[in-house]
Amino acid sequence: ETGVTQTPRHLVMGMTNKKSLKCEQHLGHNAMYWYKQSAKKPLELMFVYSLEERVENNSVPSRFSPECPNSSHLFLHLHTLQPEDSALYLCASSQASGTPGDTQYFGPGTRLTVL
Amino acid sequence: DQQVKQNSPSLSVQEGRISILNCDYTNSMFDYFLWYKKYPAEGPTFLISISSIKDKNEDGRFTVFLNKSAKHLSLHIVPSQPGDSAVYFCAARSGSARQLTFGSGTQLTVLP
Repeated sequence: ETGVTQTPRHLVMGMTNKKSLKCEQHLGHNAMYWYKQSAKKPLELMFVYSLEERVENNSVPSRFSPECPNSSHLFLHLHTLQPEDSALYLCASSQASGTPGDTQYFGPGTRLTVL
Repeated sequence: DQQVKQNSPSLSVQEGRISILNCDYTNSMFDYFLWYKKYPAEGPTFLISISSIKDKNEDGRFTVFLNKSAKHLSLHIVPSQPGDSAVYFCAARSGSARQLTFGSGTQLTVLP
């Protein structure tokens, strides 16, 4: 596997379910990110982890819970979601060098539908 | 209020001609700009970037122009190819901040 992978690619869940999204990066990067993309809207940053420590949380509801056990893996745990949470969830990673040229590389995304 | 705006949701261009995608920003602290391309069912792919100390960066068929006074950047693709058909996102960053602020994207269709 190369680059950034995400599983599952598609997920349908009820509002009372608990599920998790998984992201894995094979690029040797130190920072990982969760983004949300709703229809016709810009990508919204949800969480940033650098060296497994959460460094940013953009006022995301507590029904989204991230976990970063190591620099290669990132999870997004979901519980009691709402239909408006249906979106494409994208994971990204970067070297986190702190330089302007620190480019983020994205996974293919998980298309989430909440019924 | 969106700090990065792509006012054209779609653009159609004939194969071989130039595609020009535009992006405006409001935050004067932004000093690094990126363009990403996204195909359906795939994540965004980094395309080209530019620092605010430059006004032009070129990579093959892709050139990004930055006009700091107008807070405007554009991506030129020439010649356009059908494989360039995708959604193009403009993104901006301030200093060493990790956060990227994205525009809402422009769907480019290159007609054969």
